[in-house]
Amino acid sequence: DARVTQTPRHKVTEMGQEVTMRCQPILGHNTVFWYRQTMMQGLELLAYFRNRAPLDDSGMPKDRFSAEMPDATLATLKIQPSEPRDSAVYFCASGGGLGQWVTYGYTFGSGTRLTVV
Amino acid sequence: AQTVTQSQPEMSVQEAETVTLSCTYDTSENNYYLFWYKQPPSRQMILVIRQEAYKQQNATENRFSVNFQKAAKSFSLKISDSQLGDTAMYFCAFMHQGGSEKLVFGKGTKLTVNP
Repeated sequence: DARVTQTPRHKVTEMGQEVTMRCQPILGHNTVFWYRQTMMQGLELLAYFRNRAPLDDSGMPKDRFSAEMPDATLATLKIQPSEPRDSAVYFCASGGGLGQWVTYGYTFGSGTRLTVV
Repeated sequence: AQTVTQSQPEMSVQEAETVTLSCTYDTSENNYYLFWYKQPPSRQMILVIRQEAYKQQNATENRFSVNFQKAAKSFSLKISDSQLGDTAMYFCAFMHQGGSEKLVFGKGTKLTVNP
């Protein structure tokens, strides 16, 4: 089965350090989402891209977070500087055109568990 | 803005029995999609079932079925013949058709299937 690959799976870092999370969407999928999951807030949309262009990043703290798609096979989410409140699981999800993903759903990666100490 | 509410933070059921998870949503839109996702301890988010709002017939996938009440804005998930592997977090999600294609999730229900 095709998979969305996220790296790293776990990351522990000190406050103030830069963190970069990577996502390889499924080949041919043109839509990529970044979600953050915490116990308190649940799943929150941070940003998403279609055909590599950012469509919405209103859920993302602009001062420290940035999301990019340098090419169709890589999406990145960067936090600089990181803070303890950023500790969460970060998911990437990808989907094909509307017809495909309504049928099959967006495919989620396994997430990156980030701990900022 | 759309909101999704799952009023049951935790539920448990005995193996082989049936359980229903509740979900309500709030929207002013008429065309949308609803989903149930499963998240087992592995963290993987897995699509369980989907429903198009324009379809009156309730969706069914093997042991999983939904009760979609559009007027009441209710979308419950019924799991029949519960299995130990059904133990997971279950998330209800909404997406506006023709909009931004963003999924809005509820806070989830933790389901435990007991042997």
